[in-house]
Amino acid sequence: GDSVTQTEGQVALSEEDFLTIHCNYSASGYPALFWYVQYPGEGPQFLFRASRDKEKGSSRGFEATYDKGTTSFHLRKASVQESDSAVYYCALGDLMGYKLTFGTGTSLLVDP
Amino acid sequence: AQTIHQWPVAEIKAVGSPLSLGCTIKGKSSPNLYWYWQATGGTLQQLFYSITVGQVESVVQLNLSASRPKDDQFILSTEKLLLSHSGFYLCAWAGGSQNTLYFGAGTRLSVL
Repeated sequence: GDSVTQTEGQVALSEEDFLTIHCNYSASGYPALFWYVQYPGEGPQFLFRASRDKEKGSSRGFEATYDKGTTSFHLRKASVQESDSAVYYCALGDLMGYKLTFGTGTSLLVDP
Repeated sequence: AQTIHQWPVAEIKAVGSPLSLGCTIKGKSSPNLYWYWQATGGTLQQLFYSITVGQVESVVQLNLSASRPKDDQFILSTEKLLLSHSGFYLCAWAGGSQNTLYFGAGTRLSVL
């Protein structure tokens, strides 16, 4: 079945550091890819999506590019802030097929 | 604008007791609705989805059931809770300009 593998555990950075959270996927067909962010005690919030090879999604300074060749959708941000501390989830799916599969989540902790 | 409301915010229940969690969406006609479960520190696992009143599809068997009694309402329930049911339950609707999932604030369930 479809699956998503992302950077495990916690990433600890200082403000203004560059962020990369890796996301690789395994799926049949041509799934859409998503990034979500979840703050403590809240539901996940949609960041952005990409639907085709080489398409870049972006929001709030975060970006990721759909790469079918390497089956990846890595999340990047040039300069993180303390307020970016949260758990980030990569997901793939086909909402026409009524299913979205999430990775295990990566906790980002940014020190001021 | 669409709003999604989950109730209750939190529950503490005994093993073997019944459970009913609810979700209401406003501002969206005939939404596709989803239930997800998240163990503490874990990923999001899809439980059920519904594309119309009275029709619910099960994705994972966890001794839970779901119903869609009204177009804007989705209910998750069980007659007998297990310890393993503890976690964070999230309702979501699919759609919008980004064709993605939008989550409610969740219900925190502790089974003792």
